[in-house]
Amino acid sequence: AQSVTQLDSQVPVFEEAPVELRCNYSSSVSVYLFWYVQYPNQGLQLLLKYLSGSTLVKGINGFEAEFNKSQTSFHLRKPSVHISDTAEYFCAVSETGYSTLTFGKGTMLLVSP
Amino acid sequence: GAVVSQHPSRVICKSGTSVKIECRSLDFQATTMFWYRQFPKQSLMLMATSNEGSKATYEQGVEKDKFLINHASLTLSTLTVTSAHPEDSSFYICSARGVGNQPQHFGDGTRLSIL
Repeated sequence: AQSVTQLDSQVPVFEEAPVELRCNYSSSVSVYLFWYVQYPNQGLQLLLKYLSGSTLVKGINGFEAEFNKSQTSFHLRKPSVHISDTAEYFCAVSETGYSTLTFGKGTMLLVSP
Repeated sequence: GAVVSQHPSRVICKSGTSVKIECRSLDFQATTMFWYRQFPKQSLMLMATSNEGSKATYEQGVEKDKFLINHASLTLSTLTVTSAHPEDSSFYICSARGVGNQPQHFGDGTRLSIL
């Protein structure tokens, strides 16, 4: 069975500072990895995904993530955050492409001026 | 990009009422739709997966008679919470994906509050 761990429930940062949101996964087979963002009272928007190939994946809104197979991690990074990046971020894993997603518990990114 | 519309966005009703939530794919044919439940400050928990024209597959612990799912067309799936009680209050989110290895596109969710 697959599982996802997001160690940080909340990450406070100042505007224009860099940020890293951590995600570790567990699976017995090859996986697809995703990061989603959720704004208050809204659904999820896909930020980026890793399916295969280059381990450094670039997504929307200036975010990027790096797949590290040996450390079973897929951390999300942004070099300079904006107030508008304040949201809940979910890491997700799938063993079957886009079909069944298993989500982490989410990390709330709080960006303050 | 692909758009999934979920309606209503918010429902407040009395205990014992049945509530229907609609999930529509507006610009693609959704062969598979997913229904999730999200408790406050928690992750999304998959409730069920439905393929157009077939019965939904429910996750363990989800009562199929309580949460009725219908996926009668390639653009519409509905979730009906029957005889809702306060413990059913939650944020329900649907997602849809098209033919082949396509990503899931999420609706904006429905906040259900049972008094």
